[in-house]
Amino acid sequence: DQQVKQNSPSLSVQEGRISILNCDYTNSMFDYFLWYKKYPAEGPTFLISISSIKDKNEDGRFTVFLNKSAKHLSLHIVPSQPGDSAVYFCAATYSGNTGKLIFGQGTTLQVKP
Amino acid sequence: DADVTQTPRNRITKTGKRIMLECSQTKGHDRMYWYRQDPGLGLRLIYYSFDVKDINKGEISDGYSVSRQAQAKFSLSLESAIPNQTALYFCATSDPPGRVTPANTGELFFGEGSRLTVL
Repeated sequence: DQQVKQNSPSLSVQEGRISILNCDYTNSMFDYFLWYKKYPAEGPTFLISISSIKDKNEDGRFTVFLNKSAKHLSLHIVPSQPGDSAVYFCAATYSGNTGKLIFGQGTTLQVKP
Repeated sequence: DADVTQTPRNRITKTGKRIMLECSQTKGHDRMYWYRQDPGLGLRLIYYSFDVKDINKGEISDGYSVSRQAQAKFSLSLESAIPNQTALYFCATSDPPGRVTPANTGELFFGEGSRLTVL
């Protein structure tokens, strides 16, 4: 049973435009969500996170939105740059379980120059 | 040098062979994890350890074992490798929640991965 789902395996956008990556979850206990970015031949690296007490968290070009009622979160990248081309993983956990993350399948983002 | 180091980075082996993947870290974290990545399945947790005396199974531990030799070392073993264990394996570390650090989000810090192919 996939508790964290990224239903879009891939996304292609033009440089300078907005990239929106989506993630859905089923476990209502999840209260902390993270996004990781992974380049080929490298390990995933932390990008941005959000606690369930918030509905938005912003860090430079990256913003994560959380809709708890819909059990949905999204990552917005504005403006998108070619260097953002990577695989993006959504992950979730709950209080007391921090570090034991449940990951989605990943979405491969391609930003075209 | 990487904070989380995995060896080997690539390994090709045959069905039935014993394989060990090693992980060492210089971040001083108590918690260590082994994940595997498969296309279309994302990252799945195999085993995790919250300190040297603590070992826990993750969601896909069958066919694997681990050893926490020291705070900085966590190894993953496949006692008798089979082809469906062909995957990319990642070691990761984290701080426990509540430890006072400037930015402890509980995030995981990953190694660069070990690609294992079982023929």
